[in-house]
Amino acid sequence: DSGVTQTPKHLITATGQRVTLRCSPRSGDLSVYWYQQSLDQGLQFLIQYYNGEERAKGNILERFSAQQFPDLHSELNLSSLELGDSALYFCASSVGTSDVNEQFFGPGTRLTVL
Amino acid sequence: TQLLEQSPQFLSIQEGENLTVYCNSSSVFSSLQWYRQEPGEGPVLLVTVVTGGEVKKLKRLTFQFGDARKDSSLHITAAQPGDTGLYLCAVRGLVHFNKFYFGSGTKLNVKP
Repeated sequence: DSGVTQTPKHLITATGQRVTLRCSPRSGDLSVYWYQQSLDQGLQFLIQYYNGEERAKGNILERFSAQQFPDLHSELNLSSLELGDSALYFCASSVGTSDVNEQFFGPGTRLTVL
Repeated sequence: TQLLEQSPQFLSIQEGENLTVYCNSSSVFSSLQWYRQEPGEGPVLLVTVVTGGEVKKLKRLTFQFGDARKDSSLHITAAQPGDTGLYLCAVRGLVHFNKFYFGSGTKLNVKP
């Protein structure tokens, strides 16, 4: 158990819908990262927050958005869902953002878009 | 084009065999990480290598960072079924330090 929690574990929805994935970082971690893992694209970095502020953006679609709240939990919002958005979504947390800070990954949310 | 190329993509071996997997790039990195991911779970960090030529050992796993800090290898001695999983290498972005880039991974299956 990494100490990072993600809900829900599984999500099945239809194209065009909107969903929210939730992540609670490990106690004391200020940094949260979101990743998408699909079979054909591997693990792709989406976005990172540190203490409520966006710090880095990766291959995140405009239909996707995220935020980190004052209690440090984070949400990833996916809208106008397409079949290709079906993937595993992982959240990771770390104490800070330096090179020595280890990322701890949550168990992921499996999103299926039908 | 992937920033990190991992090889082989798949490896199926018998328990007790040795193996090496590779992570290559044409770019130079300040550090490189190796993760193992088991089905249905998130990746777990195994090691971070920082210095060119650095060798780190974790029980039967030996990690090496290339002298030029462009590539890395992971060697497993006497593989066991518990080593089965997806091995991923990852680096921080060259321009944006807080971005992480992962290789596509080597899927290892160790048969008893």
